[in-house]
Amino acid sequence: ETGVTQTPRHLVMGMTNKKSLKCEQHLGHNAMYWYKQSAKKPLELMFVYSLEERVENNSVPSRFSPECPNSSHLFLHLHTLQPEDSALYLCASSPYQRGGGYGYTFGSGTRLTVV
Amino acid sequence: SQQGEEDPQALSIQEGENATMNCSYKTSINNLQWYRQNSGRGLVHLILIRSNEREKHSGRLRVTLDTSKKSSSLLITASRAADTASYFCASHDQTGANNLFFGTGTRLTVIP
Repeated sequence: ETGVTQTPRHLVMGMTNKKSLKCEQHLGHNAMYWYKQSAKKPLELMFVYSLEERVENNSVPSRFSPECPNSSHLFLHLHTLQPEDSALYLCASSPYQRGGGYGYTFGSGTRLTVV
Repeated sequence: SQQGEEDPQALSIQEGENATMNCSYKTSINNLQWYRQNSGRGLVHLILIRSNEREKHSGRLRVTLDTSKKSSSLLITASRAADTASYFCASHDQTGANNLFFGTGTRLTVIP
């Protein structure tokens, strides 16, 4: 285990469902991230929480809603998704440093299928 | 976009051979990192090289960075079947944000 735990590992949901992805880290990091990985595309950075501030990528549709109640937990709430949202969703954490400087620790991901 | 681009997209070699993967990026960076991903799993951080460094080693890994050409290479020596995975470069730009942007990856297959 990497120290970053994602649940569930697999999720199948209908387009009208509401579900949440959970990420938990026990590394003492103070920055957490959501990435989307689709086939044959670069990893897409979706949301960043650094020092409990949210940095939002404006291109992420509102049907994805992040929540970071504390520095150890990160959620991604999903509602009315589309089939093209099917992908591997990866959570990562790192120490925070302005401009970067640390590697990220990733969870194993949630494989999401929207039917 | 700061996203990098790896070359080649796919590489197949015999066990024991060396594997070289290249990465090009677009804007000035603070550091560049390499990650490995086994199929359908999360990424694992391999090595970080800072913009003022030219070469770095970690076990069988050797990373070079040429900031004048905006490029980096990852060399895996004496490859093993267990090295089969996708390899990604990633970079923070110099805007001050703590965001890491990834390339498209190289799929390495090591044949036993």
